[in-house]
Amino acid sequence: EDKVVQSPLSLVVHEGDTVTLNCSYEVTNFRSLLWYKQEKKAPTFLFMLTSSGIEKKSGRLSSILDKKELFSILNITATQTGDSAIYLCAVPRSNFGNEKLTFGTGTRLTIIP
Amino acid sequence: GAVVSQHPSRVICKSGTSVKIECRSLDFQATTMFWYRQFPKQSLMLMATSNEGSKATYEQGVEKDKFLINHASLTLSTLTVTSAHPEDSSFYICSAEGGGFGSPLHFGNGTRLTVT
Repeated sequence: EDKVVQSPLSLVVHEGDTVTLNCSYEVTNFRSLLWYKQEKKAPTFLFMLTSSGIEKKSGRLSSILDKKELFSILNITATQTGDSAIYLCAVPRSNFGNEKLTFGTGTRLTIIP
Repeated sequence: GAVVSQHPSRVICKSGTSVKIECRSLDFQATTMFWYRQFPKQSLMLMATSNEGSKATYEQGVEKDKFLINHASLTLSTLTVTSAHPEDSSFYICSAEGGGFGSPLHFGNGTRLTVT
């Protein structure tokens, strides 16, 4: 059975700090790993990672995948209160496209002003 | 980018009634849509895969007679919670692939269902 584990479950830091969120996975037929940010409503897409060692970056957020060790990290530098959210990691189960995502438990990030 | 619209965003209903939730892909065609359920402080759990023009496939433990899914067109899937009970109260989110093969899922804004 596919498995996605995120850590920590919860994290509280001060504004300006840098945080690292972890995601490890066990899945057959790995295709990609996705990161989402969920605030009050539905998740919004952040990154899709398919290759090891290639960092994806968007502003203060970056992510990298290690397919040998089966994990990914999401970094957020110079955190802001708007970064407070649940960050979800997911891997597709299907052999086609990105159907049937298996989600991790999420990391609830709280940024204190 | 691809937009998925979900309606209603919030609904309160009485026990025993049925509630329909709509999920529309606004600027792309989605042959497949997915319905997730999220309990407070928990992650998203896939309930079922909605296939245009055919029967939905349900995940283990999800009652197909209770959660009716209809995907009658390439842009619309509906989830009907039949004979709702308070334990069905949850956050329901739909998603669809947009932008072609390998593109990430795009989610609707979710529906908060409260059954009294």
